[in-house]
Amino acid sequence: NAGVTQTPKFQVLKTGQSMTLQCAQDMNHEYMSWYRQDPGMGLRLIHYSVGAGITDQGEVPNGYNVSRSTTEDFPLRLLSAAPSQTSVYFCASSYSHGPHYTFGSGTRLTVV
Amino acid sequence: GNSVTQMEGPVTLSEEAFLTINCTYTATGYPSLFWYVQYPGEGLQLLLKATKADDKGSNKGFEATYRKETTSFHLEKGSVQVSDSAVYFCALYNFNKFYFGSGTKLNVKP
Repeated sequence: NAGVTQTPKFQVLKTGQSMTLQCAQDMNHEYMSWYRQDPGMGLRLIHYSVGAGITDQGEVPNGYNVSRSTTEDFPLRLLSAAPSQTSVYFCASSYSHGPHYTFGSGTRLTVV
Repeated sequence: GNSVTQMEGPVTLSEEAFLTINCTYTATGYPSLFWYVQYPGEGLQLLLKATKADDKGSNKGFEATYRKETTSFHLEKGSVQVSDSAVYFCALYNFNKFYFGSGTKLNVKP
């Protein structure tokens, strides 16, 4: 099925551990983004990409890295997890010419 | 700058009641406006959108009108159902970025 696929759905990390949240889309979308969702704060943009090889920071980029080596994949890396990164993470993609974002089903991350 | 303000929830209604969820925005230029819905345990789904002033977005009985003069995009539905229970997010899209409101939880009781 076409869409945005995020893995894993759930993850528990210890403080200081690193991990990568995976995001893949099969719609040939140029635009991809990562958001975090925290209670009472809506969704906040972490990083985004307007095409393969191009990434930029969003509203809350600290503690996260991204890369975009292919159009399909946009992984989010946590270098040294902190409890403040406990959140639900959403990946989204869109055509380059319009904001028709498709969201993944999310990754619930807990850092203890 | 760009920002979205939504009414705080939760909103609790009885089935068949009228729903309004307020959303106001600040933006430069000419943003597009959206409502997304998130059902329990799921990701966000686009509910409706409007791309220019005076446009009305509609879907599944929900409506919202892009009001530039009042910088608002209020969500309405004439008769809610239990299945409408979810969190609703108002969002603004401008210069290749989304700006989301904090979300409003709707509980509909039978």
